[in-house]
Amino acid sequence: EPEVTQTPSHQVTQMGQEVILRCVPISNHLYFYWYRQILGQKVEFLVSFYNNEISEKSEIFDDQFSVERPDGSNFTLKIRSTKLEDSAMYFCASSPIELAGGPTDTQYFGPGTRLTVL
Amino acid sequence: AQSVAQPEDQVNVAEGNPLTVKCTYSVSGNPYLFWYVQYPNRGLQFLLKYITGDNLVKGSYGFEAEFNKSQTSFHLKKPSALVSDSALYFCAVRPFNDYKLSFGAGTTVTVRA
Repeated sequence: EPEVTQTPSHQVTQMGQEVILRCVPISNHLYFYWYRQILGQKVEFLVSFYNNEISEKSEIFDDQFSVERPDGSNFTLKIRSTKLEDSAMYFCASSPIELAGGPTDTQYFGPGTRLTVL
Repeated sequence: AQSVAQPEDQVNVAEGNPLTVKCTYSVSGNPYLFWYVQYPNRGLQFLLKYITGDNLVKGSYGFEAEFNKSQTSFHLKKPSALVSDSALYFCAVRPFNDYKLSFGAGTTVTVRA
């Protein structure tokens, strides 16, 4: 069964450094998402992406964050200058597309990347 | 804004007994409701969803959930729990016209042999 994959599983970085989290969505999916979960808190939506542009973003997704689909398979989340409070589990998700054009109802999640900022 | 409440941090049941994980939601308009399960070191795995139609929906691994509009609830159930059902369960909601999911805090289910 196809799955969303994410690399690395764990990333440790120093405050102020740039990090890139990578995701390979399921191959026929065209809507992509990033969520994060700070330890002990709820899973929170960050951004959705379709047709090479952001379709929606939350207030968390400020100028320090960016997303990109650099090729036909990868979907990345970049944090330009990490802060201590960026430490969290980051989940990538994807959805196939409906015939009518929107994403289907179900989002399929990857295993997550645990980001630790020191 | 939408929100989800999972009132129990933990649910403990004996194997073979019924399992219920509670979820209530708040959303404008018709809700799309989901249950996901997370096993250690794994991602969020989709279990089931309610979009429209029959209030009782069936999903993977013998789980089902009942949508109750008047009580704004979407409780997850399994008639006979297995030890392998021990995991973290998340309820999520989104409005019909928005694609971002709002999650509950999660409920840890422990099924003892």
